[in-house]
Amino acid sequence: AQSVSQHNHHVILSEAASLELGCNYSYGGTVNLFWYVQYPGQHLQLLLKYFSGDPLVKGIKGFEAEFIKSKFSFNLRKPSVQWSDTAEYFCAVTPDTGRRALTFGSGTRLQVQP
Amino acid sequence: GAVVSQHPSRVICKSGTSVKIECRSLDFQATTMFWYRQFPKQSLMLMATSNEGSKATYEQGVEKDKFLINHASLTLSTLTVTSAHPEDSSFYICSARPGTENIQYFGAGTRLSVL
Repeated sequence: AQSVSQHNHHVILSEAASLELGCNYSYGGTVNLFWYVQYPGQHLQLLLKYFSGDPLVKGIKGFEAEFIKSKFSFNLRKPSVQWSDTAEYFCAVTPDTGRRALTFGSGTRLQVQP
Repeated sequence: GAVVSQHPSRVICKSGTSVKIECRSLDFQATTMFWYRQFPKQSLMLMATSNEGSKATYEQGVEKDKFLINHASLTLSTLTVTSAHPEDSSFYICSARPGTENIQYFGAGTRLSVL
């Protein structure tokens, strides 16, 4: 079975600071990788995904993530955060085959101070 | 596009009663729907996977007789919490996946409070 580890539980940044959230997964086969964001009081929204091809993927709202296969990592980055980026961020993985159920990391709470 | 509607958003019930939660894909057909449970300040834990027209697959430790899942059509899945007790109080979230892509779209969740 797969597992996902997010190392940062709570991150506090000032506006315009750069962001990097760590995500590592454990699975022996091919995976699809996702970052979801949950704004306060709202539903989970897909930020970006990686299925195959270019390991650097760009998502919505200026976010990007890089898949490093050798490190089993899929870190999320943003060069300059805004107050509106305050939210909970979840890394998730599914196997590339089978019923493809999502396994989520524990989440990272990002607080951006104006 | 890819909107998932979940209803109700909040429900308060007495211990021993049953509660039904609906999950609808509004603009796509969902061959697979998922039900998750989220505890405060924790991640989402998969409860079960349902495919249209077949029995749901439950994760280990999830009581299938307590959490009844029905996926009768390609746009609707329901979760019924039977004989609810205070320990069932939680945030329940559904997601739906189109048959054409491996992306799950999430509902807004249902906060269940059992008194």
